[in-house]
Amino acid sequence: KAGVTQTPRYLIKTRGQQVTLSCSPISGHRSVSWYQQTPGQGLQFLFEYFSETQRNKGNFPGRFSGRQFSNSRSEMNVSTLELGDSALYLCASSLDPGQGADTQYFGPGTRLTVL
Amino acid sequence: ELKVEQNPLFLSMQEGKNYTIYCNYSTTSDRLYWYRQDPGKSLESLFVLLSNGAVKQEGRLMASLDTKARLSTLHITAAVHDLSATYFCAVKNTGNQFYFGTGTSLTVIP
Repeated sequence: KAGVTQTPRYLIKTRGQQVTLSCSPISGHRSVSWYQQTPGQGLQFLFEYFSETQRNKGNFPGRFSGRQFSNSRSEMNVSTLELGDSALYLCASSLDPGQGADTQYFGPGTRLTVL
Repeated sequence: ELKVEQNPLFLSMQEGKNYTIYCNYSTTSDRLYWYRQDPGKSLESLFVLLSNGAVKQEGRLMASLDTKARLSTLHITAAVHDLSATYFCAVKNTGNQFYFGTGTSLTVIP
């Protein structure tokens, strides 16, 4: 079975721009979660989508948004980029957290650098 | 907000030695997860501990969970260089949101 894939793997943007990251979960997984990882703040939860609905949201500003498509693929968007948005963005998929099948499988991440 | 604390943050140990990483969390949860992250790589699931008293072992790693003490341990036996990585514990709240610990960076020295 193919693992979680994320595209692109690396991105360089400038302040004020916007960016869209993509995540394809493991086949059959319906839940997709997004995390931001930085050396200073560690791993922080952004949001979780299940069956095209956002079920949980972390403590991030509204510039961070996401969506999930009917095939469970997910995108996250960051608008008006700031220097502090430079981070590794990780996507994780799981079968169905609400039913206990909640082991998360992580993708390789997208390394975003904001200049 | 659920808090997850790990200690130590950094661990340097010699090959062949034993050591334990601790993970404390602030609110009730009956599931705890351990992950490994190699430099520049993503997270790999190691263990899922599903109940109080749960113990799981894989090779030189053994994880346990005490839900009453809100404590999980990851014990390393006879460390080898290949175990060098950062180890994270994570806890899920009632809203299915995961909270990760700060991570323990382990370096095994020959």
